[in-house]
Amino acid sequence: DAKTTQPPSMDCAEGRAANLPCNHSTISGNEYVYWYRQIHSQGPQYIIHGLKNNETNEMASLIITEDRKSSTLILPHATLRDTAVYYCIVRVGDAGNMLTFGGGTRLMVKP
Amino acid sequence: GAVVSQHPSRVICKSGTSVKIECRSLDFQATTMFWYRQFPKQSLMLMATSNEGSKATYEQGVEKDKFLINHASLTLSTLTVTSAHPEDSSFYICSARLPLEDTEAFFGQGTRLTVV
Repeated sequence: DAKTTQPPSMDCAEGRAANLPCNHSTISGNEYVYWYRQIHSQGPQYIIHGLKNNETNEMASLIITEDRKSSTLILPHATLRDTAVYYCIVRVGDAGNMLTFGGGTRLMVKP
Repeated sequence: GAVVSQHPSRVICKSGTSVKIECRSLDFQATTMFWYRQFPKQSLMLMATSNEGSKATYEQGVEKDKFLINHASLTLSTLTVTSAHPEDSSFYICSARLPLEDTEAFFGQGTRLTVV
């Protein structure tokens, strides 16, 4: 799986958009971009994933650059409950493939 | 979404004893499950891949005789920490995916193991 680079920490004001960047310059054509988050002392939670096109669901939006070398996870209106470590992972879609976690970004949403 | 349930959520055991952690896929069949370990302030590290009906595949540096994995059915994988020591104290997390391409993984809620 391609390696990802994320800032170790970010702050965001409650109610504002949180934009979390991820670099994956060595991504292959068959690798998806996945985002998960982990709230303290819980298992990771799936947020969103995409291959080439931008994606949006009830939790977030995923913006993937045209060259696919970077992406941004957008939480449109961050709340205190969004405080967590956010992991950007790239991997092939094979169901038997495990996830390799990097350091992630610790997002702190402040009042 | 699909649900993965892990039990127990928290366990304290004495040094030298064994502890079993269960991971169940509640509403889907998982031919493959994954076991991770997470130490404080660190990321998740893959320990092993559990395959239904066959032996688990362990990551380098993980002792297969210490961390016994059994995946006897399509909905249950167990991790047994044998002869636990204080350094085995950690957060253990299991994961499973639907047997389809382009799907997300679902994680259990994790098990906090403390060996005293």
